[in-house]
Amino acid sequence: TQLLEQSPQFLSIQEGENLTVYCNSSSVFSSLQWYRQEPGEGPVLLVTVVTGGEVKKLKRLTFQFGDARKDSSLHITAAQTGDTGLYLCAGYTGGGNKLTFGTGTQLKVEL
Amino acid sequence: EAGVTQFPSHSVIEKGQTVTLRCDPISGHDNLYWYRRVMGKEIKFLLHFVKESKQDESGMPNNRFLAERTGGTYSTLKVQPAELEDSGVYFCASRPYGMTGRDGYTFGSGTRLTVV
Repeated sequence: TQLLEQSPQFLSIQEGENLTVYCNSSSVFSSLQWYRQEPGEGPVLLVTVVTGGEVKKLKRLTFQFGDARKDSSLHITAAQTGDTGLYLCAGYTGGGNKLTFGTGTQLKVEL
Repeated sequence: EAGVTQFPSHSVIEKGQTVTLRCDPISGHDNLYWYRRVMGKEIKFLLHFVKESKQDESGMPNNRFLAERTGGTYSTLKVQPAELEDSGVYFCASRPYGMTGRDGYTFGSGTRLTVV
């Protein structure tokens, strides 16, 4: 069974601070997707990383895929209250055509 | 473009009753998925349709769950009879045919099922 552990599970910070969320597995994934989910809504795709060592930037968000394609990180610079939400990593294995979701990181950014 | 629509948004039923959840994928999306989050756990895969055919139902918990997608359009997920451990949020997602791991999934807002 493939597992994706995210850390931290909860994070409460002040606006303007930086943070990093980690997503770790013992399994190799062909790609890894990051989603953000808000209360009462479904997950919304932020980015997909495919190549080992790949780094993608989405405004203040930086995503990295580990060299061995077993782990990933999400770094947010100068967090804003609008970044509040549940961040989910999800690994994709081509053969199964389905996602294995991580345990989630609940982020709260306060003024 | 309309997104993935799920209803009801909430359902509270008694143990032993039957509940049917519905998902309308984005028009033209051949791939339809059902996922579930049980309280305190991660979102887990239930099954995958390609058009009207079940491609993978390895995540279905037991035979109390029946998913259908007649005509390859909308899908229903029936739980009969419901048990307390079936409580959770059920998500539906869809993707066009031919998508790869580079492509994301469009999720619905989910149905929150509470079995009492």
